[in-house]
Amino acid sequence: QKEVEQNSGPLSVPEGAIASLNCTYSDRGSQSFFWYRQYSGKSPELIMSIYSNGDKEDGRFTAQLNKASQYVSLLIRDSQPSDSATYLCAVGYSSASKIIFGSGTRLSIRP
Amino acid sequence: DAGVTQSPTHLIKTRGQQVTLRCSPKSGHDTVSWYQQALGQGPQFIFQYYEEEERQRGNFPDRFSGHQFPNYSSELNVNALLLGDSALYLCASSQGQGAVYGYTFGSGTRLTVV
Repeated sequence: QKEVEQNSGPLSVPEGAIASLNCTYSDRGSQSFFWYRQYSGKSPELIMSIYSNGDKEDGRFTAQLNKASQYVSLLIRDSQPSDSATYLCAVGYSSASKIIFGSGTRLSIRP
Repeated sequence: DAGVTQSPTHLIKTRGQQVTLRCSPKSGHDTVSWYQQALGQGPQFIFQYYEEEERQRGNFPDRFSGHQFPNYSSELNVNALLLGDSALYLCASSQGQGAVYGYTFGSGTRLTVV
């Protein structure tokens, strides 16, 4: 069983709509959760971090965490063509001092 | 403020050769983690260095080794290269317990093994 699972996509969303990206993880001891954005040929860029159950908003981005369901999501409001990228879900285990990544979801925003 | 710097940016090696990749962490960061990212996949954790010691290791063979220097910079060495080692190698730095606060990535080294 993979430690962090994401739907590989591609997920196609019209410009201006809400894009919803989902992720599940297997280790209940996970303590920190991240969303990274990776443009083609570039390195990952941290866009959101969340540590407790509930929602965390930053501009057009909202991260949601449900530890009971072992589920993390990222909502992108008012999607723009520049949001087209691969979104990587990552989970941190502070006791192990490492971050594990999912395989990423490719998001395409169509004009 | 310099971010994470990696060198070289691209590299072509022949099967069986050895390669060394280099990383300088972001200013103020003392922990370096290395990842391998194959095309279309997520980054796979290779190992992490803190205080010049390997703290954690992922599921990679002993052909992959590393080092951290007193100035926190790090090297990744891969011996006896295989075609399957072709990938983007990412260095990530953090301050202290990076698993809590997330990592800052360098731009990566694209390794091609022929």
